[in-house]
Amino acid sequence: QSALTQPASVSGSPGQSITISCTGTSSDVGGYNYVSWYQQHPGKAPKLMIYDVSNRPSGVSNRFSGSKSGNTASLTISGLQAEDEADYYCSSYTSSSTLVLFGGGTKLTVL
Amino acid sequence: QVQLQESGPGLVKPSQTLSLTCSVSGGTISSGDYYWSWIRQSPGKGLEWIAYIYYSGNTYYNPSLKSRVTISVDTSKNQFSLKLSSVTAADTAVYYCARELSLSYYFDYWGRGTLVTVSS
Repeated sequence: QSALTQPASVSGSPGQSITISCTGTSSDVGGYNYVSWYQQHPGKAPKLMIYDVSNRPSGVSNRFSGSKSGNTASLTISGLQAEDEADYYCSSYTSSSTLVLFGGGTKLTVL
Repeated sequence: QVQLQESGPGLVKPSQTLSLTCSVSGGTISSGDYYWSWIRQSPGKGLEWIAYIYYSGNTYYNPSLKSRVTISVDTSKNQFSLKLSSVTAADTAVYYCARELSLSYYFDYWGRGTLVTVSS
């Protein structure tokens, strides 16, 4: 069982918006602004999409946004496109000795 | 553009030691701005951070694997390496090397990953 909890799957139609949640505890997501999100297409390496809760690396579309409330972080993708269909993972710093935690991943299907 | 490339055997026998190397190009491991990590992904499962190393040799290991893991760096070759001992089928995974901006706890560049299967 992954330390951060994500829904197994979400879906949306092209042009719509979807949100993926990532729930942790006050020792990780809720306690620090070190939440990041990764996109992974089949057979490919993960790609950083969001860091420090809501910052986008250069080159990442502004259709991707991140936020946090309490112990839950969220990734929102607006204006869904077919190319957004992928697995998405959240990650967080943790004050435990594990240092870095990942979520179990969410499969996004664009209908 | 920074690129990372994993290399090593794709098949390891149970109880033996898994050894992988990550070659870094387009940047210098010894720049001091980054930590260098290994992360794995078991088939059909999520990601698990294994360990990181700083160019000076400072290391940090995931406690769940610490007793079996060694990470090392060779700045002259711009490479860092992973050794995982006493492997079992549970260690079968795609192993990624990745770069982390110093203690930022996110990974901005990843290798393409290498599948290591533990089987006799």
